[in-house]
Amino acid sequence: SAVISQKPSRDICQRGTSLTIQCQVDSQVTMMFWYRQQPGQSLTLIATANQGSEATYESGFVIDKFPISRPNLTFSTLTVSNMSPEDSSIYLCSVTHGTARANYGYTFGSGTRLTVV
Amino acid sequence: ILNVEQSPQSLHVQEGDSTNFTCSFPSSNFYALHWYRWETAKSPEALFVMTLNGDEKKKGRISATLNTKEGYSYLYIKGSQPEDSATYLCASAGAGSYQLTFGKGTKLSVIP
Repeated sequence: SAVISQKPSRDICQRGTSLTIQCQVDSQVTMMFWYRQQPGQSLTLIATANQGSEATYESGFVIDKFPISRPNLTFSTLTVSNMSPEDSSIYLCSVTHGTARANYGYTFGSGTRLTVV
Repeated sequence: ILNVEQSPQSLHVQEGDSTNFTCSFPSSNFYALHWYRWETAKSPEALFVMTLNGDEKKKGRISATLNTKEGYSYLYIKGSQPEDSATYLCASAGAGSYQLTFGKGTKLSVIP
């Protein structure tokens, strides 16, 4: 299975600033996903990062707030823009080994623990 | 059931005890049920992916069952060890979708 390197592992940021999170995969993957886990809540899908096209965002998430880049099949970034304390969460990237069918396993990065003060 | 629900939210068990958790998910449009083990500051680790009603899977001391008709899955840990301490997540996937809908997890603490 793929190995994902996610950076940074944690950060404390001032409100109003932006943070870019990076995920590097050791193999080419078609689909990469970005998740968020707010305190006490479930892991929630933010968007699917597609290589060569714009990311597909889930309901409640917009590109202006969470711009995503996917320059090639092994790398993606998620930016959390104009942060507020409500953005304090764990952010995870993920890839799947198969096609878009969800009966294959997913591999996750180790997460970015963000605190906004 | 509209969301994925897990119970209990947390539990503490003594080393050597066996334990189990429940995951409830929408049975309509079901495609797959995933279990993950997530330790703090580490990546969630895939345990099982199950698709068929009646599926049972085993990995060492951990096993899982699936009932797609009534929309639930059980995760069992036999002879809990301190290294089993983690949050156990289940996630449901619907037909035709790559999106996983996660429960909030069950946080297990095994007391030596």
